[in-house]
Amino acid sequence: AQKVTQAQTEISVVEKEDVTLDCVYETRDTTYYLFWYKQPPSGELVFLIRRNSFDEQNEISGRYSWNFQKSTSSFNFTITASQVVDSAVYFCALSGLNKLVFGAGTILRVKS
Amino acid sequence: DSGVTQTPKHLITATGQRVTLRCSPRSGDLSVYWYQQSLDQGLQFLIQYYNGEERAKGNILERFSAQQFPDLHSELNLSSLELGDSALYFCASSFRGGSDIQYFGAGTRLSVL
Repeated sequence: AQKVTQAQTEISVVEKEDVTLDCVYETRDTTYYLFWYKQPPSGELVFLIRRNSFDEQNEISGRYSWNFQKSTSSFNFTITASQVVDSAVYFCALSGLNKLVFGAGTILRVKS
Repeated sequence: DSGVTQTPKHLITATGQRVTLRCSPRSGDLSVYWYQQSLDQGLQFLIQYYNGEERAKGNILERFSAQQFPDLHSELNLSSLELGDSALYFCASSFRGGSDIQYFGAGTRLSVL
C-alpha cells in the first residue's frame, strides 16, 4: 500500500529563517510521482510541484527548493528566507492509481 | 485561481438530509476527482471520473454517490447525512488521469448539525 508520512505536525519560524518540511513515502511502484500542495488559511489547495521517480535532480523555484532522494524515499521541501505569506499547511502527496495519497500535512507558521 | 469551480462554498444541513455538491472542471480537463478533508481522516480520495465514466474508487461510503455529466461537470451526492460527514469536500480536475497534475477547487465546507 502507498503511504506518505509528514512527521512534523507544526513548525514555527521567524520571518527570514529557512525552513525544511520533511516528507517520506512508501510505494512498491517503480514509476511514481510526488507532489507538494499548499493550503493557505483561505482553504484552497494550491499545486506547487510534481516530480517523477526517475528525476532525482533537485529543483529550485524562487525561494522554494525540493530535494528528492530515492535511496531514503524522501522528498523534502525547503523555503528560503521565509515570509509571513508562507504560513499555510503544506501537503506532500504520492500518485496512486488515478488518485493522490496525501500525507497528514505540516502546519507552517511564520511570525514577523 | 485554479479554474476549477465548486458550489456552494458552504452548506449547513441537518442529520438525515441529502445534499448535492457541484464541480466544474478546468476547461479541457476530462477527469474529475472528489476528496474529503476532515480533522481525523485528513485528505482522503473518494472517487474519480474520466469523460463520464467512473475510473477509480477510494474510501467512499455507500451513502455517497457521484456522477459526471456529458458537459464534464460532476456532482457528489451525500445522503442520510451524519455528524461525522461534516468536512471540506474538494473537487479536482486533470486532463486525463494517472499521475497528471490535479488542480483543486476552493472546496465546499459541509456542516451537519
